[in-house]
Amino acid sequence: DAKTTQPNSMESNEEEPVHLPCNHSTISGTDYIHWYRQLPSQGPEYVIHGLTSNVNNRMASLAIAEDRKSSTLILHRATLRDAAVYYCILRPYMDSNYQLIWGAGTKLIIKP
Amino acid sequence: ETGVTQTPRHLVMGMTNKKSLKCEQHLGHNAMYWYKQSAKKPLELMFVYSLEERVENNSVPSRFSPECPNSSHLFLHLHTLQPEDSALYLCASSQTVHGGNTEAFFGQGTRLTVV
Repeated sequence: DAKTTQPNSMESNEEEPVHLPCNHSTISGTDYIHWYRQLPSQGPEYVIHGLTSNVNNRMASLAIAEDRKSSTLILHRATLRDAAVYYCILRPYMDSNYQLIWGAGTKLIIKP
Repeated sequence: ETGVTQTPRHLVMGMTNKKSLKCEQHLGHNAMYWYKQSAKKPLELMFVYSLEERVENNSVPSRFSPECPNSSHLFLHLHTLQPEDSALYLCASSQTVHGGNTEAFFGQGTRLTVV
């Protein structure tokens, strides 16, 4: 299964945009890029996913490189409630392995 | 509120006890999952059910026994656990087991401590 690489941690100031990078150089043509986040003492929460085009929803935006070997999750205006571990995961279109392969994620620290 | 409810939220059990974790989803999904999250380790998939049928058992010891009586409920029966089984146990559901174009919804988890 294709793997992803993320920085261990990042810091950002409250009310500023945050760009969380993810490298997935071995991505295949049918892999979807998923982002989840996990707040302290909670289960993971779906954030966004995409295949080739950039995606926007009420939580965030996902920018996907043209060669699809990297992507960036964008939080447009970070709040203290966005402090969490963010996971970038690849999932094939026809996922015969069922599971999402979880890495260590990026711990996002928001400074007031 | 994700639509996936897990009970209990916290559980302390002795190594000789038998207990069960419960998960219920109100999303009309066909697939349900059990994950284990140990301290400082990535999430590990344990079991996958599709339409009440187990489709994946990820080399989990037999002291963990899943049960899926219907597509809305999932149980994890625990017996003779070891202290290293202490972890956060997460239940998740998705519309289908197949397809990268579907997202998973997670419960809050059960924090299990084996003493």
